[in-house]
Amino acid sequence: DTAVSQTPKYLVTQMGNDKSIKCEQNLGHDTMYWYKQDSKKFLKIMFSYNNKELIINETVPNRFSPKSPDKAHLNLHINSLELGDSAVYFCASSQDRGSSYEQYFGPGTRLTVT
Amino acid sequence: AQSVAQPEDQVNVAEGNPLTVKCTYSVSGNPYLFWYVQYPNRGLQFLLKYITGDNLVKGSYGFEAEFNKSQTSFHLKKPSALVSDSALYFCAVTFGGQLTFGSGTQLTVLP
Repeated sequence: DTAVSQTPKYLVTQMGNDKSIKCEQNLGHDTMYWYKQDSKKFLKIMFSYNNKELIINETVPNRFSPKSPDKAHLNLHINSLELGDSAVYFCASSQDRGSSYEQYFGPGTRLTVT
Repeated sequence: AQSVAQPEDQVNVAEGNPLTVKCTYSVSGNPYLFWYVQYPNRGLQFLLKYITGDNLVKGSYGFEAEFNKSQTSFHLKKPSALVSDSALYFCAVTFGGQLTFGSGTQLTVLP
């Protein structure tokens, strides 16, 4: 059973397009996250939701819009894609929003914008 | 603001030898420290964490880490390295529920 799953695994698209990445966790966790990993493997948090409520919104272009239909799902929609959006995007979840909880990561979605 | 530093981009060690991957942190208040491992084309996997208590923390796959408050360090260690330990290792610190990662250290275990 996959704990945190993401679709698609690979996404190749052209500049200016709109795309979505879906994430689901079956761990019963209350908190979910989106991270971006750049070409140098640097990881940075983008968003965090707790029980469908946005709790962390880092300095991310407003072309990125997360949506959490329920606490098991956190999707990421990206409008007007740019070359610099090319990266690997990871979804993660944790039991709760507290600092002591470890996070469980999905396999990642490699986004390539041409 | 909290931060972690991993001073080594790359660590090479021979199979069977002990390994150490270094991490130092900067955080106001008590730190919550984590180690994660990333295998090629995979997501991150949780290895171990320090919250409070014993300074030596044991984790998955025979890894352990030592919390040193005076040196603000949280180095990852393993007594005997395996080729299969070759991966990218991230140290991380949380504060206010937000996880901040170090830049990562690529560990290569040579047969």
